[in-house]
Amino acid sequence: KNEVEQSPQNLTAQEGEFITINCSYSVGISALHWLQQHPGGGIVSLFMLSSGKKKHGRLIATINIQEKHSSLHITASHPRDSAVYICAVSSGSQGNLIFGKGTKLSVKP
Amino acid sequence: DTAVSQTPKYLVTQMGNDKSIKCEQNLGHDTMYWYKQDSKKFLKIMFSYNNKELIINETVPNRFSPKSPDKAHLNLHINSLELGDSAVYFCASSRQGKSTDTQYFGPGTRLTVL
Repeated sequence: KNEVEQSPQNLTAQEGEFITINCSYSVGISALHWLQQHPGGGIVSLFMLSSGKKKHGRLIATINIQEKHSSLHITASHPRDSAVYICAVSSGSQGNLIFGKGTKLSVKP
Repeated sequence: DTAVSQTPKYLVTQMGNDKSIKCEQNLGHDTMYWYKQDSKKFLKIMFSYNNKELIINETVPNRFSPKSPDKAHLNLHINSLELGDSAVYFCASSRQGKSTDTQYFGPGTRLTVL
C-alpha cells in the first residue's frame, strides 16, 4: 500500500462543476503539497499546507492533520483545469517528497 | 527567464551507453532534487543536494551518479543504461530544502533506452 493514496484516479467533469480530489496519507508529515502536471508534462506547485486551508483563485486546499487527509477543490471548473493533480507529503525537516499516484482530471466544455 | 531548466528534453539511446542530463536553476536556491517518473506516471525521489552536498540518496542503482559543480547546477550521469531506466526525469529546486519549501520543477527529460 502506498504511503500516499489519492482518489479518484480518474475524474471527468462538465465545465462549471465543483470538483473534489482527495488525498490520504499514512505517515507523519511536516507538510502536504498539491501539484499540477499539465498535459505537456510540466509540473507546477499549487499549494503547500501544514494546517488549515488555503485558497488561490478557484482552487481551495484543506488539510485535517488528525485524520491524515487533504482535499483539493476546484470551483467553476474549466477545460483548462484538465491536468493530473498530484498530492505529495514531506516529513521531518527535509524536503524530499513522497507522491501519490495522481488524479487525472478531464473537464469537458 | 526559465527558473529551472534541463537539457536535453528528449534523449534516445541504446542499452549499455552512458549519458548525462543537466539541470540549472537561476532562483538562487540552496537545494536541488532529481525525481524519476515511471511509465505509470508515478514520481519518486532519487537524490537531493544542498549547497553541493548530497543529502538524500534513495535506493537508486549506483549506475546513477549525481554531480553538483555549484549550487545552481545538479547533473545526473547514468552508466550502462538499461531498458528499465526509460522514464521522465525531473529536476527541481527549493529555497533551503525544508519540508515547507515550495519546489520548482524543470520541464523534464524523457529518456528512452532501446
